[in-house]
Amino acid sequence: GDSVTQMEGPVTLSEEAFLTINCTYTATGYPSLFWYVQYPGEGLQLLLKATKADDKGSNKGFEATYRKETTSFHLEKGSVQVSDSAVYFCALSSLDTGNQFYFGTGTSLTVIP
Amino acid sequence: NAGVTQTPKFRVLKTGQSMTLLCAQDMNHEYMYWYRQDPGMGLRLIHYSVGEGTTAKGEVPDGYNVSRLKKQNFLLGLESAAPSQTSVYFCASSSVPRRQFFGPGTRLTVL
Repeated sequence: GDSVTQMEGPVTLSEEAFLTINCTYTATGYPSLFWYVQYPGEGLQLLLKATKADDKGSNKGFEATYRKETTSFHLEKGSVQVSDSAVYFCALSSLDTGNQFYFGTGTSLTVIP
Repeated sequence: NAGVTQTPKFRVLKTGQSMTLLCAQDMNHEYMYWYRQDPGMGLRLIHYSVGEGTTAKGEVPDGYNVSRLKKQNFLLGLESAAPSQTSVYFCASSSVPRRQFFGPGTRLTVL
């Protein structure tokens, strides 16, 4: 079945460091791919998405490119801030699975000043 | 516009007790979902609804029941709580299946 695998955390970075959180997926159809962010004590918020191969999603300095050849959707940011400390979830959704969402296990990011 | 709200925020139950979690959305969304979040497991779909009066099972439905009597509300019931149901529960809603808005979560502990 469809699934998402993302790198385990926790990840600790200094402010202004480069961030990469790896995400790979398995899907039978042509899924849409998402990154969600969860700040402490809150629900998940959509960070960015890509709906087809080679699309790049971007928001708040974060980017991810839908790579069909490597089945990946890695999250990147060039210069992280303390306010980026959160848990990040990669997810996919496909028409072939009734539009259900499949989430990765989440990667906790802590940015220190 | 409150978005998606969940009641209660916290709850402690004893094994065998029952309770209902309420999710409400004011965005006129057709789709609503219940997830549970456990450490190292990500979010797993319990039940979902594609419209008023409809419900369907997700990935981990056992031990839970749901009802969608009104479009804006989606209730999650635990008839006989077990320690394995200790988790954080999230409700979400969407107007199209691929863009979900999440509530703040309910932290449930079953002793």
